[in-house]
Amino acid sequence: GEDVEQSLFLSVREGDSSVINCTYTDSSSTYLYWYKQEPGAGLQLLTYIFSNMDMKQDQRLTVLLNKKDKHLSLRIADTQTGDSAIYFCAEGSGYSSASKIIFGSGTRLSIRP
Amino acid sequence: GAVVSQHPSRVICKSGTSVKIECRSLDFQATTMFWYRQFPKKSLMLMATSNEGSKATYEQGVEKDKFLINHASLTLSTLTVTSAHPEDSSFYICSALQRETQYFGPGTRLLVL
Repeated sequence: GEDVEQSLFLSVREGDSSVINCTYTDSSSTYLYWYKQEPGAGLQLLTYIFSNMDMKQDQRLTVLLNKKDKHLSLRIADTQTGDSAIYFCAEGSGYSSASKIIFGSGTRLSIRP
Repeated sequence: GAVVSQHPSRVICKSGTSVKIECRSLDFQATTMFWYRQFPKKSLMLMATSNEGSKATYEQGVEKDKFLINHASLTLSTLTVTSAHPEDSSFYICSALQRETQYFGPGTRLLVL
């Protein structure tokens, strides 16, 4: 079945870059997503990438996709304390009203001074 | 735009009672909404897909008679946890689909005593 895996924790120093990695199994995924969840809150869509793209950059966020290895990463440049949250990688089929998304377990990013 | 609300944000109930959770798309219409359940330090598990005007589609292992879903309008879906038990305690999150993107609500924390 479909599966998305991420490491559970990441700690970085304020101002450094954070890189969160994810692997997935469904080669038919159309979209790959990164969501951010702050404590006690719902999910915020940070960015997404189409499966036919290798890279997408959006301000401090860079998404890299290696479709051959089914590996997705999210790089946050100049990490700030406000970036502390849980980051979920997710894959979806898209293109239909039943756009089922499979989530990873989330990576908790903590920022140290 | 694309704001989704949930009500209540948290609820405590006695074992054996039923609890209704509302999910509303505030500034757009959503034919399709999704209900997820999140366990502590775990990922989101899709429970069901809610379609306006028709029966919900439940994921494998989710009891449809226990988790009643009603999507009576294009801006409202409700999840009713019937005869709640302590093991139903969890964080329930809904999302609404707009143009192939899911927008998530802030979640409802349910505690069953």
